[in-house]
Amino acid sequence: KAGVTQTPRYLIKTRGQQVTLSCSPISGHRSVSWYQQTPGQGLQFLFEYFSETQRNKGNFPGRFSGRQFSNSRSEMNVSTLELGDSALYLCASSRGEKLFFGSGTQLSVL
Amino acid sequence: KNEVEQSPQNLTAQEGEFITINCSYSVGISALHWLQQHPGGGIVSLFMLSSGKKKHGRLIATINIQEKHSSLHITASHPRDSAVYICAVSLEPFMDSNYQLIWGAGTKLIIKP
Repeated sequence: KAGVTQTPRYLIKTRGQQVTLSCSPISGHRSVSWYQQTPGQGLQFLFEYFSETQRNKGNFPGRFSGRQFSNSRSEMNVSTLELGDSALYLCASSRGEKLFFGSGTQLSVL
Repeated sequence: KNEVEQSPQNLTAQEGEFITINCSYSVGISALHWLQQHPGGGIVSLFMLSSGKKKHGRLIATINIQEKHSSLHITASHPRDSAVYICAVSLEPFMDSNYQLIWGAGTKLIIKP
């Protein structure tokens, strides 16, 4: 059974640009959640989607948005990138108790 | 003060030692998660607890709801256990989702052969 797939694995952008990250959950998982990990702040919750609806949102500015498609694949978009957005972005899918994480997208903003 | 505190921050031990990592939280929770992160970023969910104790192989996780404290134990530790162990909590009330998590800072564990 394939795991959670995140693309791309690495991304380099410049300030002011926008970026879209993709997450394909494990087949049959309808919940997808997104997290940001930085050395200074650790892991922080961004948002969670279930059946194409955003159920929860963390404390991030409106530049961070996401969506989920009917096949449960999810995308996260960050507009007007700032240096502080450099981080590892992780998504996880779930069905039941356990979370299954992707390998993450390492975003560097120059 | 962080809502989820882990201790120790760093732990180095010899192969075979019994390992304990602690997690304390200050908010009402619906569940507590223990996760493992290896270098390179991959995170593996180890346990989700709402009460009592769970065991999986050499890993044991316990939670005391009254004391707002959880421990992760590793018996007969091995160098492949070297990783960052992270505690995370899901808040009460249960908002139809376990995944709005508040994360601890993690404990970096190194097991020397």
